[in-house]
Amino acid sequence: GDSVTQMEGPVTLSEEAFLTINCTYTATGYPSLFWYVQYPGEGLQLLLKATKADDKGSNKGFEATYRKETTSFHLEKGSVQVSDSAVYFCALPYSSASKIIFGSGTRLSIRP
Amino acid sequence: ETGVTQSPTHLIKTRGQQVTLRCSSQSGHNTVSWYQQALGQGPQFIFQYYREEENGRGNFPPRFSGLQFPNYSSELNVNALELDDSALYLCASSPGTGSLMNTEAFFGQGTRLTVV
Repeated sequence: GDSVTQMEGPVTLSEEAFLTINCTYTATGYPSLFWYVQYPGEGLQLLLKATKADDKGSNKGFEATYRKETTSFHLEKGSVQVSDSAVYFCALPYSSASKIIFGSGTRLSIRP
Repeated sequence: ETGVTQSPTHLIKTRGQQVTLRCSSQSGHNTVSWYQQALGQGPQFIFQYYREEENGRGNFPPRFSGLQFPNYSSELNVNALELDDSALYLCASSPGTGSLMNTEAFFGQGTRLTVV
């Protein structure tokens, strides 16, 4: 069935470092792909999305490109800030589309 | 615009008891989904309600049940609580027909349930 596999955490970086969080997926067809973020004590927020192959989603300095050939949707940011500390989830809508399948999450901590 | 609100924020129950969690959807949203997020894991889909009807269910036993009301708010009921039911329960609302293929789901802050 459809699934999402993402990089295990936790990931700890210094401020202004480059960030990559890997995500690969298995899906029937070509679903949209999402990155959600969960800040401490809060619910999930959609960070960015891409709806078709080769699309690039971007928001708040984060980017991810929908790669059909490698079934990947890696999250990147050129210069992280302390405020980016959170848990990041890669996700896709299930083929029946009534639910979202989430990866296990990657906890990111940024040191000042 | 009011976002998705859930109540209560925290709850402690004893094994075997029953619990009801509540969710008010965002204004204009007619679809509500519930997810269970165990500690250190990603959210797992429980079920979705669209226009007061169940519109998809995940791999959860029948003791997990739900309702959606005419104002699109929703309840999640869990009977015969087990220790493994301890988790963050997230509610998400979305507009449209229930499909999340290209529609954003907006999440509440969740209810932290602890079963002792």
